[in-house]
Amino acid sequence: QITLKESGPTLVKPTQTLTLTCTFSGFSLSTSGVGVGWIRQPPGKALEWLALIYWDDDKRYSPSLKSRLTITKDTSKNQVVLTMTNMDPVDTATYYCAHRGYSSLGWFDPWGQGTLVTVSS
Amino acid sequence: AIQLTQSPSSLSASVGDRVTITCRASQGISSALAWYQQKPGKAPKLLIYDASSLESGVPSRFSGSGSGTDFTLTISSLQPEDFATYYCQQFNNYLTFGPGTKVDIK
Repeated sequence: QITLKESGPTLVKPTQTLTLTCTFSGFSLSTSGVGVGWIRQPPGKALEWLALIYWDDDKRYSPSLKSRLTITKDTSKNQVVLTMTNMDPVDTATYYCAHRGYSSLGWFDPWGQGTLVTVSS
Repeated sequence: AIQLTQSPSSLSASVGDRVTITCRASQGISSALAWYQQKPGKAPKLLIYDASSLESGVPSRFSGSGSGTDFTLTISSLQPEDFATYYCQQFNNYLTFGPGTKVDIK
């Protein structure tokens, strides 16, 4: 059974850097084709893809947020870390990490439960 | 960047109704489309991938069709547990989600 869980601060101040950790089980991020992505959802709004890291350490970022994002993995710890710089109140959202299986061409299944991050002074 | 639009943005339906949701891409994406269901306070759940492939464990009343720029999610007979928001997602060029369609009780 694949599970993922996001962790990190619930409140960050404007201009600060957000660091979120996705801890997963049930799969290995060293398996060919596998990836872990980050997606966020502002309250009452739609989903927005942020970043994706693959088993071979290849990384993809949303073009609109690329300058602010860094995604890394620690295969030995079964963790993926997302950092987002220069946080703003508009970045208030629930942040999800999700599994991209080896047979997937781009869909995510399953997702973590999400963690709500509020940006406020 | 590829943009996705969904219609309608919301709809009201009754149990047993046939429901159709449309997703349109700003450029052709072949069959690189997935559909998710999201209930309030919960993470999205994969329903359909590759435009028409039913994810394991998803009821057969859900079906997807389309290719290129126009796609459809159909629920053949709406059940009480189907009231939720539905999102399409393209993975042809980077990843993009649609704005969502909320299905509520009539």
